[in-house]
Amino acid sequence: SSELTQDPAVSVALGQTVTITCQGDSLRSYYASWYQQKPGQAPVVVVCGKNNRPSGIPDRFSGSYSGNTASLTITGAQAEDEADYFCNSRVSSGNPWVFGGGTKLTVL
Amino acid sequence: QVQLVQSGAEVKKPGASVRVSCKASGYTFTNYNLHWVRQAPGQGLEWMGIINPNGGSTTYAQKLQGRVTMTRDTSTRTVYMELSSLRSEDTAVYYCAKESTIFGVLLIDYWGQGTRVTVSS
Repeated sequence: SSELTQDPAVSVALGQTVTITCQGDSLRSYYASWYQQKPGQAPVVVVCGKNNRPSGIPDRFSGSYSGNTASLTITGAQAEDEADYFCNSRVSSGNPWVFGGGTKLTVL
Repeated sequence: QVQLVQSGAEVKKPGASVRVSCKASGYTFTNYNLHWVRQAPGQGLEWMGIINPNGGSTTYAQKLQGRVTMTRDTSTRTVYMELSSLRSEDTAVYYCAKESTIFGVLLIDYWGQGTRVTVSS
């Protein structure tokens, strides 16, 4: 399959840890990138590759992999982390690039 | 700094075509592929296709084959996305986005501001 599957919504208490997952066969061959999107704004990459953060991204964001699942973990979630999170990877069949359906993160 | 500046919002009738432009600056235009990604209201991101500004080669999403055309003008550092036979489900914000390799990973690192396209009779 060339799809990436994400849970539609996740919530976390302020200061706690939350993990957002992305599942798909392509993740056995390609790394995922994770994007944060706030309302009315373009997406911003927060984690890419095995576990890399572009400059300016807080170190509370981290990535990991297991089999066909990529995970984005926010350790000590802040109010400003409330956003939609999308995973993205290349795929080897069908469309060459694919996005997950997105996860809406609510910080309580 | 890298900037991708897109054309303004469009309102089109079903069956019409729309062309969205994306002017790039702040980097070597021909060195990086550009993608088009759209987002319907309240929905996720949908990859539409990619263009190589160096030679103009393109790859389109299977779902949009035959309706989408991506072109570029290297003299003005601009890429264009044209979508034809518009239908209501094409109502979305359309983004152009620059590809790059960061930490050895091919990804999209910069996005345009988005262009809202509304298809309505």
